[in-house]
This record gives sequence, C-alpha cells and structure tokens, in this order.
Amino acid sequence: QGRLVQSGAEVKKPGASVKVSCKAPTYAFTGYTIHWVRQAPGQGLEWMGWINAGNGNTRYSQRFQGRVSITRDTSARTEYLELSNLRSEDTAIYFCARGVSPETPMITWGQGTLVTVSS
Amino acid sequence: EIVLTQSPDTLSLSPGERATLSCRATQNIRNSYIAWYQQKPGQAPRLLIYGASSRATGIPDRFSGSGSGTDFTLTIRRLEPEDFAVYYCQLYGSSSWTFGQGTKVEIK
Repeated sequence: QGRLVQSGAEVKKPGASVKVSCKAPTYAFTGYTIHWVRQAPGQGLEWMGWINAGNGNTRYSQRFQGRVSITRDTSARTEYLELSNLRSEDTAIYFCARGVSPETPMITWGQGTLVTVSS
Repeated sequence: EIVLTQSPDTLSLSPGERATLSCRATQNIRNSYIAWYQQKPGQAPRLLIYGASSRATGIPDRFSGSGSGTDFTLTIRRLEPEDFAVYYCQLYGSSSWTFGQGTKVEIK
C-alpha cells in the first residue's frame, strides 16, 4: 500500500517547537487516518494523536493536550506533527502511521524522525 | 483511562519453542479492539494481529492471537530466528489508543 516518508532529523533547544512531516503515497481514497507515535531512547511506544486526512478531524492524547497540533495539507498528501515547548524528555523517534479509519489499527508506518532536544 | 500491562517483560526462549505473551487491560475492551505489533531494533513497528485474533496481511500463521474482555494473548507457535524482537499490544478505537509496555522475546 506504499510507505510513508517522514522528514529528517531535528535538533532543538528547550522551549522551542518542532514540526515533523509525513508524506503519503497516492491512495485510491482519501479517508485514511494518520497517527503520530513516539519512542524515547530504549523505551516503549507512546501514542500522541491522530488526524482524519479526509475531513481534518483530530484527537490528541491528554498527555500532550495544549502542546501538540496535527495538521494536513491535502494537496500535498502530507500530514504534520507540531510539538511546542520542548523539553529534554521529548527527545525521541517520532513515527507516523496510517490506518484506514479512526477505528482501525496502524497498518503502514513511516521510517521515523529523530528529534533531539538539547541545550 | 485504560492501561495495558504486558507480561512477562522478557521471555528467553530457543528457536523452535513456543512463545506465549500476555496483555491485560484494566477495563473490559469493547469489540476486542486489541492489536499486536512486532518491532525489531532500528525499525518501525509492524502490525501482526488486529481484532484480537485476525492476522494482518502477509503475517505467517505461526502467529496467533486470542482473548476477550480484559485478557489477551499472542502466541508464536514455533519461534524462527527472525521472531526475536519486542512485541507490543495496543488498544485502538476512536477515543482510546494506548500501548502496553512491551515484551522482549530474546534468544536463550
């Protein structure tokens, strides 16, 4: 079904924001859902939120409410994760992953983007 | 908020042995919206099982999922060398998305 392609590694200072992109291949339909999941070094997976690429609806984990924003550019088939007020604990690999709808699991994953937060 | 707890944290087995991984939820899971993922070092996770027991496309039949309610299991019938990895269970659905902490299956 095609691979998701993410933007490159980022290095940010505490308090800054980061924006990571995820480009989807051409699909026969537009009603898919893109999730963002992060993984701190040596740790497990943490779900951050999703966007319905068709209608733009979003849902966020309460843990990141107020700091996270997931947006889309439908013409570019690209979704974005923006995380603000970065702290060292946000250092992680950020993955995007696609599902058919908000009620289905994550079928296709991006390669991951390393975000390092360091002063 | 539903929490998923996986056990054991690490499973040490030899190739050819059977692996049984557990995932327990703090509340009943409606519609058995439980998935299992495999992750190898330096790679993104890969979907193995969804709906608690349905294999994803291309997944070998040595992988099977079972369970309902609050208790779910991933079984790998005969471990192949490429199966040694970390496995995560996940609760999915429009308002509830969370992962278990993972079980590492390592070579004994």
